[in-house]
Amino acid sequence: AQKVTQAQTEISVVEKEDVTLDCVYETRDTTYYLFWYKQPPSGELVFLIRRNSFDEQNEISGRYSWNFQKSTSSFNFTITASQVVDSAVYFCALSEAANAGNMLTFGGGTRLMVKP
Amino acid sequence: KAGVTQTPRYLIKTRGQQVTLSCSPISGHRSVSWYQQTPGQGLQFLFEYFSETQRNKGNFPGRFSGRQFSNSRSEMNVSTLELGDSALYLCASSVTGSTNEKLFFGSGTQLSVL
Repeated sequence: AQKVTQAQTEISVVEKEDVTLDCVYETRDTTYYLFWYKQPPSGELVFLIRRNSFDEQNEISGRYSWNFQKSTSSFNFTITASQVVDSAVYFCALSEAANAGNMLTFGGGTRLMVKP
Repeated sequence: KAGVTQTPRYLIKTRGQQVTLSCSPISGHRSVSWYQQTPGQGLQFLFEYFSETQRNKGNFPGRFSGRQFSNSRSEMNVSTLELGDSALYLCASSVTGSTNEKLFFGSGTQLSVL
């Protein structure tokens, strides 16, 4: 069965620090998709990034970057030069192609607090 | 373009009652999925609907049910409420609900069972 683990339950940083959120996943499927979502205090989850299992190229998008390594089943997410507005709960999620339709398995979330 | 709308925002019920939550997806989105979020269990998938058909179902008892209408709006129902059903219920929509699609979430319905 699929599983997503976010070992860091809470991280506190000072503004402008870089912060990396860890995510480890388990799946038997060879085709799958990994996501990061952000949940601000308002409640709705907001999509940040997506990666498929065949593309291990790491990318940078603005202040966000991610490191996908199939060998270690990890999909880590980094925020560079953090800002107070980045304070939220961040969720890593997995979707398997074997499932018809959309069914996400979420990690437990990491609460990020960015202090001014 | 309006986002995903969930009503009501807050709900208080007592044990044994039933409740119906509503979700209006983004215009043009045909897939609607529901998630339960609790401090103890985190975010858990309830079910997904596409073109009025339930396509996937999570590991929840039969007290949890849902449906989707021809306009893609969706409702979920919980019967015989238990204290453990207290949670934030999140609805999400996407165009086709394919495995690699990003989801757009509503702000949720906070259900409290007393």
